[in-house]
Amino acid sequence: AQRVTQPEKLLSVFKGAPVELKCNYSYSGSPELFWYVQYSRQRLQLLLRHISRESIKGFTADLNKGETSFHLKKPFAQEEDSAMYYCALEVTGGGNKLTFGTGTQLKVEL
Amino acid sequence: DGGITQSPKYLFRKEGQNVTLSCEQNLNHDAMYWYRQDPGQGLRLIYYSQIVNDFQKGDIAEGYSVSREKKESFPLTVTSAQKNQTAFYLCASSDESGTGSILYGYTFGSGTRLTVV
Repeated sequence: AQRVTQPEKLLSVFKGAPVELKCNYSYSGSPELFWYVQYSRQRLQLLLRHISRESIKGFTADLNKGETSFHLKKPFAQEEDSAMYYCALEVTGGGNKLTFGTGTQLKVEL
Repeated sequence: DGGITQSPKYLFRKEGQNVTLSCEQNLNHDAMYWYRQDPGQGLRLIYYSQIVNDFQKGDIAEGYSVSREKKESFPLTVTSAQKNQTAFYLCASSDESGTGSILYGYTFGSGTRLTVV
């Protein structure tokens, strides 16, 4: 069965410091991976997806099939980056659906 | 204003009572989903529906039921609610590709917090 692991429940960094939110997955198929973000008092929303290879709000994520990872990175953290981040894996076949990790709370301190 | 509406925001029920959580979307999305969000456990899939009059169990379907009689609506019923079903419930929808649009991914509702006492 598929699994998404986010090992850090809480990550605290100072403003301007680099950020790396870890995500590892296990899946026998070809992975499609996503990062979702939930800001305080807002709905969960898509941050980025590996297939589009975009950089959103300065965040990037590279799929590493060898290490089965999809870590989220940003070179310089901003206060507005403080939020809950979820890594998600698309499971295809029998209905496309997302399997989410347990989430990492990012706190950017001044 | 297109989106997903979940109601109510807060629900309180006694153990053993049935309760229905509403989810309505006007995005013309084919697929709809119910997730349960618990601290430290992330989002876990309860049920999903890819098309009207069809739905599938997710990872934690026991104790829940759904219906999909209309494309716009996907209500979730907690049958004989238990204290361990106290949680935040999220509804989501996506277009026919399943994972949502390139721009927006899944569209999520604002959630319903259910407390069972």
